[in-house]
Parts: sequence; C-alpha cells; structure tokens
Amino acid sequence: DAKTTQPNSMESNEEEPVHLPCNHSTISGTDYIHWYRQLPSQGPEYVIHGLTSNVNNRMASLAIAEDRKSSTLILHRATLRDAAVYYCILRDQVIKAAGNKLTFGGGTRVLVKP
Amino acid sequence: NAGVTQTPKFQVLKTGQSMTLQCAQDMNHNSMYWYRQDPGMGLRLIYYSASEGTTDKGEVPNGYNVSRLNKREFSLRLESAAPSQTSVYFCASRITFANTGELFFGEGSRLTVL
Repeated sequence: DAKTTQPNSMESNEEEPVHLPCNHSTISGTDYIHWYRQLPSQGPEYVIHGLTSNVNNRMASLAIAEDRKSSTLILHRATLRDAAVYYCILRDQVIKAAGNKLTFGGGTRVLVKP
Repeated sequence: NAGVTQTPKFQVLKTGQSMTLQCAQDMNHNSMYWYRQDPGMGLRLIYYSASEGTTDKGEVPNGYNVSRLNKREFSLRLESAAPSQTSVYFCASRITFANTGELFFGEGSRLTVL
C-alpha cells in the first residue's frame, strides 16, 4: 500500500498562511491524494482532493508536485478554527469486489496562535 | 439528512464483556468503514465493507467482528472486550468505486474497557 509521511505538528500565527507538506513517494499512477482534517472531539471531515493538477476550494488549496511524490495543503489565512489534525491519505488500489480501502496516517497537528 | 449516525456515544465495559457498536447512514453509500482512534494517535482501519454482503479486514481487525446488515447499517462487535480496546470508534461511509468520493464520518463512540 502506498503510504504518506507528514510532520507531527506545525504552528502558525492567525491570519497567516499555513503550508502542510505530505510525502508519498510510492504513489501509484491512479492514486488520488485526499486531505481530511479532524477538529477536537469530532470525526474527520473532507478538505480537498486532487490527482495531478493543483486544486482550490473554499477551504484550502492543494499543490501537487510534478512527479506526484509530494503535495502541500495550503490554508491561505489561518484562523483559530483551523486548529486541527490534518491527514493526507491516498486512495488505495481498487480490489474488485472489495472496494476501496482508505488508511490514515498520524497526520499533522496544526496549532494556530492568536 | 442525518448523515452517519453512531450509537452509543459513550460506553463503559468490564473486561470480558461483549457489546455492539451500531452505525447507520442515510446517504445511499455503498462503502462503510470502522476506524479506531487511540488518545493522541491517528485513525486505524478495523474493517470495511464495499457493499452489502461483503466485509474485509483493515489494519487492526483482531478482537472485532462486523456485520453489514443492509446497505444502511454496519455494526462492529466486541465479543470479549479487553482494556487495549479502549478507544474512540468512528464509522464512515462513501460511494464505492469513485476515486473522488469523500468519506463522511460519524461523531464517534467513546469506549472504555476497565
């Protein structure tokens, strides 16, 4: 299974951008890169996903390296509500009749300072 | 729509007791998942089900059984609870065979085994 590597934690000041790196050097050609975040005492929630091109949505931007071996989640202006654990995951190889197995790593804990 | 609903939200068991965690989704999703999250750790996949009638092991299946009762419901059973199973359990669902299908999580079930 393709795995991801993320820093354990990062700090940011409020209103400043946050760049969260993720390494996935064994990514396969058809693996999508997904990002989720988990706010304190809640279940994870979807943030963004991409395959090859950079992606933007209302929550964040996803920058994918040309060789796809790494990606960066960008929070453009961090707020206190963005303090959470951010997970970078890859969609696992599809196994017929078994669907998609999605595994999470340890994630990056983001601390936002006022 | 309620999304993904888990019951109970809290449970305390004694070592050796059994219990079943219930999960139901109303989004007509094919795939359903059970994860556990130990304090300060990321999520680990216990079991998943790509469709009604199929289940597969994840990373940490030992000590658990699952049942995909119908398309809506996916239960997780602990036959003989152990203190090592003290954790927060999350159920999730998504559309199968869609690379971009996001995971929707429940609020979690906090289990303590004494």
